[in-house]
Amino acid sequence: GQQVMQIPQYQHVQEGEDFTTYCNSSTTLSNIQWYKQRPGGHPVFLIQLVKSGEVKKQKRLTFQFGEAKKNSSLHITATQTTDVGTYFCAGSTSGTYKYIFGTGTRLKVLA
Amino acid sequence: GAGVSQSPSNKVTEKGKDVELRCDPISGHTALYWYRQSLGQGLEFLIYFQGNSAPDKSGLPSDRFSAERTGGSVSTLTIQRTQQEDSAVYLCASSALPPMRQPLVLNTEAFFGQGTRLTVV
Repeated sequence: GQQVMQIPQYQHVQEGEDFTTYCNSSTTLSNIQWYKQRPGGHPVFLIQLVKSGEVKKQKRLTFQFGEAKKNSSLHITATQTTDVGTYFCAGSTSGTYKYIFGTGTRLKVLA
Repeated sequence: GAGVSQSPSNKVTEKGKDVELRCDPISGHTALYWYRQSLGQGLEFLIYFQGNSAPDKSGLPSDRFSAERTGGSVSTLTIQRTQQEDSAVYLCASSALPPMRQPLVLNTEAFFGQGTRLTVV
């Protein structure tokens, strides 16, 4: 079945450093979403990518969808303590709205 | 309502008992999802509904798990004869999805509830 892996599993950075998490799907995706889950909270939607090679930016966050629509990345520039949490990608394949979540990357930012 | 509501927020049950978890989605949202999240782990897909029908039940771990949705709104997830490995946070999400035949031009973001923390002792 469809699997979505993320690396790294954990990342500790100093405040001000950059951070990147990578998402890889075993199957071609029709679209991919990114969510952030703060400690003790529930996932909150960040963005959705649909087109091959698409790049979207939200302030310090840059999201990219691979040309083959099987991988994606989230890059945070100059991390802040408010960026702490677990970042999940979630992908669905054509013909379904079933979203499989990635394994997540837990980010800790040291002040 | 303003957001996705789940009840109860916490449930402690004895092994072997049945439990029912409830999800009230955002009004008008056609899609409803159930996920399970163990401590420090990712989200495990259980089932999703499009209206009252469930196109994909492949994530239900065993036949002890069942879910239904009535009136295109409230959903209940039932776990029969609970086991200790069922302990987790059960998350519900809803989404306003266009019909499958229409191009995906709008965000299909899922709005999550706060979850039900189930502990089987």
